[in-house]
Amino acid sequence: KQEVTQIPAALSVPEGENLVLNCSFTDSAIYNLQWFRQDPGKGLTSLLLIQSSQREQTSGRLNASLDKSSGRSTLYIAASQPGDSATYLCAANHLGSSNDYKLSFGAGTTVTVRA
Amino acid sequence: GAGVSQSPRYKVTKRGQDVTLRCDPISSHATLYWYQQALGQGPEFLTYFNYEAQPDKSGLPSDRFSAERPEGSISTLTIQRTEQRDSAMYRCASSLYRGPQETQYFGPGTRLLVL
Repeated sequence: KQEVTQIPAALSVPEGENLVLNCSFTDSAIYNLQWFRQDPGKGLTSLLLIQSSQREQTSGRLNASLDKSSGRSTLYIAASQPGDSATYLCAANHLGSSNDYKLSFGAGTTVTVRA
Repeated sequence: GAGVSQSPRYKVTKRGQDVTLRCDPISSHATLYWYQQALGQGPEFLTYFNYEAQPDKSGLPSDRFSAERPEGSISTLTIQRTEQRDSAMYRCASSLYRGPQETQYFGPGTRLLVL
């Protein structure tokens, strides 16, 4: 069974500091690794998708790396802003017990950026 | 529609009552997913539909849970004889097609509280 863990559970930083969010997964046989943002009262928003064959993916101030062999992904957010305050979830897309692929999510890291 | 919508946004019910939650996906999307998200956890897969077909029900926790998508658009999730442990956020997502690389677009969720 795929287990996805995110450390730390919460993070508070001053504005302008870089953020580093960690995600680990137990089964390296994944199709891809996805990062989502969750805001209160809203749905999850997809941020980045890294294919299993890729090492990293970038979008604006966001950069995500993937080390499939060690079961780790890291999301970097450069020059954090108060608007970056949210919960960030990673999800591994893999073959589930029903022989169909599915997303397994971590519990998330709640980020607070102080102005 | 412009995004995935869910109703009601909040539901409080008494133990033993049946509840039905509704999801209205993005209109062009063939695939629809249901997830259950406990407080402080990531979403857990329940089931999905390709149009009106339901190929995978493996995540449904018990036979008290059922889902329908009779015309391949709107979907309902019904929980019969609710129990306190069913209290959670129920999230719906849709994607254009079924595929591991397809982005899932999430709705705002229905928060269910069983007293």
